[in-house]
Amino acid sequence: QVQLVQSGAEVKKPGASVKVSCKASGYTFTSYDINWVRQATGQGLEWMGWMNPNSGNTGYAQKFQGRVTMTRNTSISTAYMELSSLRSEDTAVYYCARRRRTGRWFDPWGQGTLVTVSS
Amino acid sequence: EIVLTQSPGTLSLSPGERATLSCRASQSVSSSYLAWYQQKPGQAPRLLIYGASSRATGIPDRFSGSGSGTDFTLTISRLEPEDFAVYYCQQYGSSPTTFGGGTKVEIK
Repeated sequence: QVQLVQSGAEVKKPGASVKVSCKASGYTFTSYDINWVRQATGQGLEWMGWMNPNSGNTGYAQKFQGRVTMTRNTSISTAYMELSSLRSEDTAVYYCARRRRTGRWFDPWGQGTLVTVSS
Repeated sequence: EIVLTQSPGTLSLSPGERATLSCRASQSVSSSYLAWYQQKPGQAPRLLIYGASSRATGIPDRFSGSGSGTDFTLTISRLEPEDFAVYYCQQYGSSPTTFGGGTKVEIK
């Protein structure tokens, strides 16, 4: 079955960087985009950006421009999201999600990775 | 960017009742590119509806979506115990994609 499995929880200090992985299985990794969405505790969903695993092309939400980098390793069907210059407000659960190139809804989602930023 | 406003914020209903959730867009959503997701505590969102009215694979037919332009609705015809959760709408017709703030359906 189609599945996205993310890396485990992280605790980082302010100013540090975090890199979250998202391993895809059950489909051709390069045929669908990977998007990243985050959710602070008790809050809604915030889209961060997308990556085309075939070309490596990316698009980031304006809010995260300059701080986020999305990459991939096609040999192991894994996407990565790195967020730098972390601050306390970046404490959230980060999700990866598969997106069709036509239609563009998100399905499925990874299980989420909690990133805690604390001194 | 398109702002999605969901209402009500919380819906208190009993199992077996009908739930009607609203999602209003600040401008027209092109080609009815609107999706609905269900999220339970500690879980990732799950796709319910795409294209405003098409059910995703495996979604029971008690879930239905409707609407176009700026007004969209998710209806749960008869609430089952497992349906009590938070529901989000998303528009993916214009960049950036945006999500509504969510509606919590709780047990009355």
